[in-house]
Amino acid sequence: AQSVTQLGSHVSVSEGALVLLRCNYSSSVPPYLFWYVQYPNQGLQLLLKYTTGATLVKGINGFEAEFKKSETSFHLTKPSAHMSDAAEYFCAVSSNNNDMRFGAGTRLTVKP
Amino acid sequence: EAGVVQSPRYKIIEKKQPVAFWCNPISGHNTLYWYRQNLGQGPELLIRYENEEAVDDSQLPKDRFSAERLKGVDSTLKIQPAELGDSAVYLCASSLGSAVSTNGYTFGSGTRLTVV
Repeated sequence: AQSVTQLGSHVSVSEGALVLLRCNYSSSVPPYLFWYVQYPNQGLQLLLKYTTGATLVKGINGFEAEFKKSETSFHLTKPSAHMSDAAEYFCAVSSNNNDMRFGAGTRLTVKP
Repeated sequence: EAGVVQSPRYKIIEKKQPVAFWCNPISGHNTLYWYRQNLGQGPELLIRYENEEAVDDSQLPKDRFSAERLKGVDSTLKIQPAELGDSAVYLCASSLGSAVSTNGYTFGSGTRLTVV
């Protein structure tokens, strides 16, 4: 079985502050992990993914995430938030490499 | 290159009426997915196709939902009859090959269904 838990349905940061969105997963086998972003009235866009190899992965728009097996976590970070980062962020896991299971999402608000 | 195209973008229907959603995946993408996204939730898989074959429809409520992907390209998802609880965004995604680790998904913009 595979599942994802995103801690915090809403996160608010000031522009220029660190962004940290938390994701913990459950998987019976080594997982593939993903972060997607969804802007209002749009589909989901891939930010980054972890498959194998280096545990720190870099994505688009300055985001990165670190796979920590011992903590079963895959938290998303960005050193300095920008107003354009305001969106809904989804963590996803795949254990079977055929489809993904998504978390409930975290809405990021960026204050000026 | 056009992305995954879905239509209509919005649909409002009365309960017990039928409704259909259409998806045109990226050209050459043989794997197609339908997801349902309830308000404030993440997407949940309904069905996965590889070419024209539904290889995973275990989460599709078969009493009222049906899907088809004739010729392994476009796909249609149907609900008959619709219930109030079916109000959600229906997302279509496609990928080149079935290995999500390699290919990831490309999502369409979705169809927002409101059942009144």
